[in-house]
Amino acid sequence: EAQVTQNPRYLITVTGKKLTVTCSQNMNHEYMSWYRQDPGLGLRQIYYSMNVEVTDKGDVPEGYKVSRKEKRNFPLILESPSPNQTSLYFCASSLGGALPGANVLTFGAGSRLTVL
Amino acid sequence: AQKVTQAQTEISVVEKEDVTLDCVYETRDTTYYLFWYKQPPSGELVFLIRRNSFDEQNEISGRYSWNFQKSTSSFNFTITASQVVDSAVYFCALSEAWASGTYKYIFGTGTRLKVLA
Repeated sequence: EAQVTQNPRYLITVTGKKLTVTCSQNMNHEYMSWYRQDPGLGLRQIYYSMNVEVTDKGDVPEGYKVSRKEKRNFPLILESPSPNQTSLYFCASSLGGALPGANVLTFGAGSRLTVL
Repeated sequence: AQKVTQAQTEISVVEKEDVTLDCVYETRDTTYYLFWYKQPPSGELVFLIRRNSFDEQNEISGRYSWNFQKSTSSFNFTITASQVVDSAVYFCALSEAWASGTYKYIFGTGTRLKVLA
């Protein structure tokens, strides 16, 4: 089944304890991205990657890191989480191609993160 | 700059009523794409429709229809004869062709639709 898999789905952690949310897709997609969803703010892009070893900042990158060493994986790293990073996180992927913006995003199921 | 506005934060209707969700966008590009996604109470994000800037033809899919008007920069979504299963948060999104080098999808803040039995 074509899908984007995120783990963990739920996590409660404490301020300053490094954590990684993994994201993996099995569709050979070139484009991958991370979003956070907060009440009243909709979905905001954190980071995106056009292909292996190519990453760039979205609209709200502060406090996050990413890497894209393999095409299928795009982990989101919180080096020192803070309470304002409590949120619902989504990973998504889509085809690349000549007009990557035309492509439909396939989303993971979401990861709910609470930082105390 | 890109922007998507969904002014309706929450809408409540009674089952079988028709409801329209508004989406207004801003872009400087001539080639762009508009999307609608649905987020049911279970939380996943489900793709509903994509429309490119050169295709203003309205689309109907069952009880769902979309009205794209470039003149007013709007891409509205209508559900006819709403059902309880339509209760969800609906997001409108915009993506430019990315010739400018920015590779972002911009989402609106979402409209929560509650359909009451």
